[in-house]
Amino acid sequence: LAKTTQPISMDSYEGQEVNITCSHNNIATNDYITWYQQFPSQGPRFIIQGYKTKVTNEVASLFIPADRKSSTLSLPRVSLSDTAVYYCLVGDIAGANNLFFGTGTRLTVIP
Amino acid sequence: DGGITQSPKYLFRKEGQNVTLSCEQNLNHDAMYWYRQDPGQGLRLIYYSQIVNDFQKGDIAEGYSVSREKKESFPLTVTSAQKNPTAFYLCASSPGLAITYEQYFGPGTRLTVT
Repeated sequence: LAKTTQPISMDSYEGQEVNITCSHNNIATNDYITWYQQFPSQGPRFIIQGYKTKVTNEVASLFIPADRKSSTLSLPRVSLSDTAVYYCLVGDIAGANNLFFGTGTRLTVIP
Repeated sequence: DGGITQSPKYLFRKEGQNVTLSCEQNLNHDAMYWYRQDPGQGLRLIYYSQIVNDFQKGDIAEGYSVSREKKESFPLTVTSAQKNPTAFYLCASSPGLAITYEQYFGPGTRLTVT
């Protein structure tokens, strides 16, 4: 089971790009990296998923270096509404043993 | 309008009582999950189900029970054996069990036991 480590919290000003890094040193060959976003008193929401290199969607980008021992979620030009907890998950397609959300990174966007 | 519904949003019970939390989905998903979240903490997996009439324990199953008699329903019972039942409970579903499938979460039920 690949353990993940994320910063507990981050602050950013509105309009800035935010990069949240997740460390997963013992990631396995078949593991994927997934990020979720959670607002207070709501369930998490899927943001992005990747296996290697770079993935981009309308919300964020995910950068994964060649060794895959870490990944970086990039949020372009954050707004106040991006204030949330961001979770990095690592696991393979084998089953729910890999659904470990951890404590996540609490991002606070400042006006 | 597809999605996951959990009811009620807030639930209050006396210590020693069993309580059942409802979770329904109309997304035609095979897999369903129950998580518990304590203040300032991440989500912890209680139970999950890959198909009807089958379910597996997660990391913190003690004091909880589930059933999966229908594809769209996955109720969670918090029994009196659960030592600290007060928490925010989240139900989720996905097309399959693999991490590559996006999980869709319900709005949650906040349970308070006094």
